[in-house]
Amino acid sequence: QVQLKESGPGLVQPSQTLSLTCTVSGFSLTSYNVHWVRQPTGKGLEWMGVIWTGGSTDYNSALKSRLSISRDTSKSQVFLKMNSLQTEDIATYYCARDNSDSYYFDYWGQGVMVTVSS
Amino acid sequence: DVQMTQSPSYLAASPGESVFISCKASKSISNYLAWYQQKPGEANKLLIYSGSTLQSGTPSRFSGSGSGTDFTLTIRNLEPEDFAVYYCQQYYEKPLTFGSGTKLEIK
Repeated sequence: QVQLKESGPGLVQPSQTLSLTCTVSGFSLTSYNVHWVRQPTGKGLEWMGVIWTGGSTDYNSALKSRLSISRDTSKSQVFLKMNSLQTEDIATYYCARDNSDSYYFDYWGQGVMVTVSS
Repeated sequence: DVQMTQSPSYLAASPGESVFISCKASKSISNYLAWYQQKPGEANKLLIYSGSTLQSGTPSRFSGSGSGTDFTLTIRNLEPEDFAVYYCQQYYEKPLTFGSGTKLEIK
């Protein structure tokens, strides 16, 4: 069955780089797009960016200067890197698969909580 | 960016009742709207896409309506498992954007 699972450090120091991995199963990264979405505690959802089936990427302009999304198709993994982390980046980070025809999310990971603190 | 205004932000209802959640887009998004359910400890669940199409597995007590800028999620005959947070999302254009959420609690 389709599964997505986020992993990565739960604590990042201010100004450092966040690195997260989304490991997928049940589908191919060359057939479905994978997005990153984040949610500050008690707040709403923010779309961060996407890696398309062909390997190109699109980012939310609000984060574009700090964000990089990449993948390793052989390992069925998608990677998120975001630099210059600050307290406003404290959130739960989700990866999600879109429908491939349209950009709604039919499967989500359970999310990984990230705190920014020294 | 397309702003999605969701209301109410909080809703209290009893099992068996019906509730209505509104989502308004800042510009026309045709029917490029999805609804999600969020529960603690669970993966977010897609309920409805294309404004009114039920995702496989979504109970028929859920329905979506609207097009253009105004959309509604209706839940009829509430079941205990329906008490959760609900979000709308537009996928008409990037950046993809979400409503601020509606927390549905048991009265």
